[in-house]
Amino acid sequence: GEDVEQSLFLSVREGDSSVINCTYTDSSSTYLYWYKQEPGAGLQLLTYIFSNMDMKQDQRLTVLLNKKDKHLSLRIADTQTGDSAIYFCAERPSGNTPLVFGKGTRLSVIA
Amino acid sequence: KAGVTQTPRYLIKTRGQQVTLSCSPISGHRSVSWYQQTPGQGLQFLFEYFSETQRNKGNFPGRFSGRQFSNSRSEMNVSTLELGDSALYLCASSFREPSYEQYFGPGTRLTVT
Repeated sequence: GEDVEQSLFLSVREGDSSVINCTYTDSSSTYLYWYKQEPGAGLQLLTYIFSNMDMKQDQRLTVLLNKKDKHLSLRIADTQTGDSAIYFCAERPSGNTPLVFGKGTRLSVIA
Repeated sequence: KAGVTQTPRYLIKTRGQQVTLSCSPISGHRSVSWYQQTPGQGLQFLFEYFSETQRNKGNFPGRFSGRQFSNSRSEMNVSTLELGDSALYLCASSFREPSYEQYFGPGTRLTVT
């Protein structure tokens, strides 16, 4: 079945790097996504990676994909207090199916 | 370009009533998906519409329904509201292919008393 697992909490100091991890179960997933949700807001698409890629970098964000272990990670460099939010990992098992989301990781940045 | 808009933003209803939520996608997007977000269950997929046709449906009772209009705007309806329907209802729009990036609206917070 489809399931996406994330740790629930992560706390880091301002200026450090944050690494948020995610595991998924569907090996046929074509795209994997990271979303950010701030309090009282909807989900903001941060970045996504296609399943034939190992890494994608976008400014302070780096996504690593290990297809063998079905492991996805999001690294945020130089974490700022404005990065405090809930981060959701999501997979799309195939092109025509809905996104499956993890429960989200709450990132707290300590000044 | 304007983002996804949802109306109303907040709603309070009584058990047994019905409610209609509205979503306007990003201009040019023809796919609209709806999700229910609760603290206990997280984000759960409700349904997806593409060019006025329902393409996918989640595991929700028949009290939850939706539709999409020719201008891609979408509505979802919940009849005979229950306390457990209290949630944040999120709408997302996309081009679908190739990368199926979904862009979310701010959501409608529904409280059922």
